[in-house]
Amino acid sequence: GNSVTQMEGPVTLSEEAFLTINCTYTATGYPSLFWYVQYPGEGLQLLLKATKADDKGSNKGFEATYRKETTSFHLEKGSVQVSDSAVYFCALKIYNQGGKLIFGQGTELSVKP
Amino acid sequence: GAVVSQHPSRVICKSGTSVKIECRSLDFQATTMFWYRQFPKKSLMLMATSNEGSKATYEQGVEKDKFLINHASLTLSTLTVTSAHPEDSSFYICSAEDRTMNTEAFFGQGTRLTVV
Repeated sequence: GNSVTQMEGPVTLSEEAFLTINCTYTATGYPSLFWYVQYPGEGLQLLLKATKADDKGSNKGFEATYRKETTSFHLEKGSVQVSDSAVYFCALKIYNQGGKLIFGQGTELSVKP
Repeated sequence: GAVVSQHPSRVICKSGTSVKIECRSLDFQATTMFWYRQFPKKSLMLMATSNEGSKATYEQGVEKDKFLINHASLTLSTLTVTSAHPEDSSFYICSAEDRTMNTEAFFGQGTRLTVV
């Protein structure tokens, strides 16, 4: 079946530290991959996406590269800010299988000043 | 980006009553809407998928008679939690897409339901 696995949180970093949140997936088809961010008490916002192998999604200093050989889509940011504190969800979607988003369990990030 | 408005953001209801949650796409046609439930510190669990004008497709284990979904127009879907019980307390989130334009999924702000 299709599934997404993220590293467990919470992840606590100091401001300006380097961030990596690991995400791996299994898929029966050819998925598009996404990172969503959820701030406290809110819905989800799309952070970045990649639709084919070797694509790099980027937004607001965050990056993730679609690695088909390792079935991974790790999220990185070179220098985190306090305002990046949130829960981050990795997700996949296979368009010819109903187009449902399948989410990982979420990783909580806390950035301290 | 496109806006999806979910209402109410918070609701408290008595056990045994029904609660309706609305999800509106404000600036695009939502051909497909999804309803999720999120438990504390947990991922989003897809409850059902609804296509405009059709009956919703429920995920395994979700009671369709308890969680009534209506998607009668291209801008509005509703989730009604019938005969709510404390175990239905949760954070409910909707998302919407325009499949004719192959848009990404846009999410509502979520509704915190507390059943007392």
